[in-house]
Amino acid sequence: AQKITQTQPGMFVQEKEAVTLDCTYDTSDPSYGLFWYKQPSSGEMIFLIYQGSYDQQNATEGRYSLNFQKARKSANLVISASQLGDSAMYFCAMREADNNNDMRFGAGTRLTVKP
Amino acid sequence: GAGVSQSPSNKVTEKGKDVELRCDPISGHTALYWYRQSLGQGLEFLIYFQGNSAPDKSGLPSDRFSAERTGGSVSTLTIQRTQQEDSAVYLCASSPRRSGRGTDTQYFGPGTRLTVL
Repeated sequence: AQKITQTQPGMFVQEKEAVTLDCTYDTSDPSYGLFWYKQPSSGEMIFLIYQGSYDQQNATEGRYSLNFQKARKSANLVISASQLGDSAMYFCAMREADNNNDMRFGAGTRLTVKP
Repeated sequence: GAGVSQSPSNKVTEKGKDVELRCDPISGHTALYWYRQSLGQGLEFLIYFQGNSAPDKSGLPSDRFSAERTGGSVSTLTIQRTQQEDSAVYLCASSPRRSGRGTDTQYFGPGTRLTVL
């Protein structure tokens, strides 16, 4: 069964606007971590933001914030004030505490920022 | 400090040949992961090393794939008798420690792009 679902294969956003990238997940483990990574065309995976299942507040890191809705099992990434350099693939990932070896990744969303 | 490094960055090989891919994790990181990313796809977990424990090989797609980690640091992923479907980017990641709450952040290397002709 698919653990991480990213329903948007591609997204476009105008420079300086905000964009939300969707991610839903499936787990029965009460303890888990959710991650977002950025992969530019150069190929490296860049860690952006982390949300723990027990965290009371939504994670924020600069222009990145995570809209964590635990009951809905969603962990959407919000990028504010988009920049041209934000154009990349974005992957949502989850690791369950009971399965710490296996980080499951979604299929990714390709974000294109238009000038 | 230095990040995760991988070599070579690109590898082109002929079907049936063996290849070795190398990963140097961040110094002090005890956990090391290998992933495979096919063109336009997400990441597929291959193998995980944690300290001196036996590795988790549950993601290896066939017995042609193997990996070792010497001295708890450098890791080598070996693919024997390569096939065209092995063509992908192979990514290595390391993390500083293992947390029972699944909170460890992984830091990725730049990957090795393998092309099997």
